[in-house]
Amino acid sequence: SQQGEEDPQALSIQEGENATMNCSYKTSINNLQWYRQNSGRGLVHLILIRSNEREKHSGRLRVTLDTSKKSSSLLITASRAADTASYFCASLGNDMRFGAGTRLTVKP
Amino acid sequence: NAGVTQTPKFRVLKTGQSMTLLCAQDMNHEYMYWYRQDPGMGLRLIHYSVGEGTTAKGEVPDGYNVSRLKKQNFLLGLESAAPSQTSVYFCASSYSIQSVRYNEQFFGPGTRLTVL
Repeated sequence: SQQGEEDPQALSIQEGENATMNCSYKTSINNLQWYRQNSGRGLVHLILIRSNEREKHSGRLRVTLDTSKKSSSLLITASRAADTASYFCASLGNDMRFGAGTRLTVKP
Repeated sequence: NAGVTQTPKFRVLKTGQSMTLLCAQDMNHEYMYWYRQDPGMGLRLIHYSVGEGTTAKGEVPDGYNVSRLKKQNFLLGLESAAPSQTSVYFCASSYSIQSVRYNEQFFGPGTRLTVL
């Protein structure tokens, strides 16, 4: 069974808008990571947030973590067409569990 | 640096055939992993290795075997392929900081396997 679940499954926005993706997990974690996957390619690490952190920024990315709700969100600000990809959260508890992903489409 | 490479990129097998997928990394990472990705299911961990000569089972290990004879290589074997093993297979590697596993993982480009 999967540890994480992303919401929404698919998201379509216009260039310049913000994109928010959510992730829920089931057990206690050490850290939570977000990855990006372009079609037909491997995953690329975006950002890691540890269980004792609540918010983290990296460029246009903002990640929050709420361990009481076992959830995380990824915000991409001022989206670009090049941000079109699938985004996965991966939670590290006893092992690493990936969610099913959010497919983001940014229209130019 | 090439990062993480996988061979082959594509393969078609008949049910019952065997094959080995090769993963190589040139970043001197201790940890290596094999995942499979199926539509709508994200990635699931098959096996992983925390160092040369060591392997461990992941979430979905049945039907697969692995070996880590050299630090830079991690092999995934299918002894008797089944249609249920049709998937995209990804290898990844990571380093360790203060014995914390599963830091940033670096992924290979994937192998698309079809079992008829």
